Amino acid sequence: NAGVTQTPKFRVLKTGQSMTLLCAQDMNHEYMYWYRQDPGMGLRLIHYSVGEGTTAKGEVPDGYNVSRLKKQNFLLGLESAAPSQTSVYFCASRPKWTAPYEQYFGPGTRLTVT
Amino acid sequence: AQSVTQLGSHVSVSEGALVLLRCNYSSSVPPYLFWYVQYPNQGLQLLLKYTSAATLVKGINGFEAEFKKSETSFHLTKPSAHMSDAAEYFCAVSAMDSNYQLIWGAGTKLIIKP
Repeated sequence: NAGVTQTPKFRVLKTGQSMTLLCAQDMNHEYMYWYRQDPGMGLRLIHYSVGEGTTAKGEVPDGYNVSRLKKQNFLLGLESAAPSQTSVYFCASRPKWTAPYEQYFGPGTRLTVT
Repeated sequence: AQSVTQLGSHVSVSEGALVLLRCNYSSSVPPYLFWYVQYPNQGLQLLLKYTSAATLVKGINGFEAEFKKSETSFHLTKPSAHMSDAAEYFCAVSAMDSNYQLIWGAGTKLIIKP
């Protein structure tokens, strides 16, 4: 049982390049989340999904797109990377019906945009 | 709506001393409360959670937290700090009226002095 995994672990992009971050979970969770973590700012929600085929915007969605084509996968895309998107990105998942609905986190992807 | 305030972005204690990390929340409905820990260059791991079953919650690694409704607090404590406790700690709240999305505090970095 791998839990939540993220690919890649590290990435360096040049401004304007695009990339996709992959999150996979094997816990059959309905809800999945993408966060970014910046020093002193805690975690900020980018996008989330409440089920296969559905996505919604979080607190800081601009510059990112997501897709949830399969229940176990949640992809985060950057179409044209900017230095302001340098951050650590975390994916999380949680069950829909099991209180207290705690989230389970992946190990993170460290992205640098130059 | 919910919010979380963690007092002190950095807390420094000596090895063997009491650890106290403060978390105050606001919520218009009964909340669930969580403490997560993040060790350097790792993802977030659940330390403990409040689910209304008991006001004093015990977590992993000797940590505990007490839910005080009158003070809207959920402070994290450990009687005796260990060098391995050096990490960043995040308090989070969720509730039904926000579909149990986690609202995060900004985090407190715990520094252990030898």
